[in-house]
Amino acid sequence: QSVLTQPPSVSAAPGQKVTISCSGSSSNIGNNYVSWYQQLPGTAPKLLIYDNNKRPSGIPDRFSGSKSGTSATLGITGLQTGDEADYYCGTWDSSLSARVFGGGTNLTVL
Amino acid sequence: QITLKESGPTLVKPTQTLRLTCTFSGFSLSTSGVGVGWIRQPPGKALECLALIYWDDDTRYSPYLRSRLTITKDTSKNKVVLTMANMDPVDTGTYYCVQVFNAFDVWGQGTMVTVSS
Repeated sequence: QSVLTQPPSVSAAPGQKVTISCSGSSSNIGNNYVSWYQQLPGTAPKLLIYDNNKRPSGIPDRFSGSKSGTSATLGITGLQTGDEADYYCGTWDSSLSARVFGGGTNLTVL
Repeated sequence: QITLKESGPTLVKPTQTLRLTCTFSGFSLSTSGVGVGWIRQPPGKALECLALIYWDDDTRYSPYLRSRLTITKDTSKNKVVLTMANMDPVDTGTYYCVQVFNAFDVWGQGTMVTVSS
């Protein structure tokens, strides 16, 4: 079982908006930055969001991140079929002294 | 352009020691704040951070695998090596090398390792 909890799957129609949640505790999300990764089928993960809400160069502003308390959320607007992927949240866990990930969420664009 | 590439055996036997090498370019492990890490992913499962090594030689290990892991760096050769002892079939999966800076910023393509007799 993962330290961070994500829904196994979400779905939405093209052009719509979807949010993916990531729940943790005070030892991880509550006191550390959250990052998000996109893993397209058969490929390596890619960094989408770091420091809760910052986008690396080249990541479109359709992707956004937020954090409140011990939970974080990834938002994707203007959904495209090319957004179908697994999405992972990650952060530092102070109790474990280790980087941890969520279990991943599979996004389907119907 | 930052790139990382993993190399090592694709098949290891149970109880053997796995040795993976990450060869990177486009950044230096002597730069303050920079690190390199290893992350693995069993087939169809989630990501797991195994080990990290930073520019100042600080190392961090998964608390669940600490006794089996060693991570080292050769800054002059832009290489990071991960060794994992006593391999088991449950260790089968894809092993990724990643640059650590803001988060896990840039990922290698990954290398599939199968543990089987």
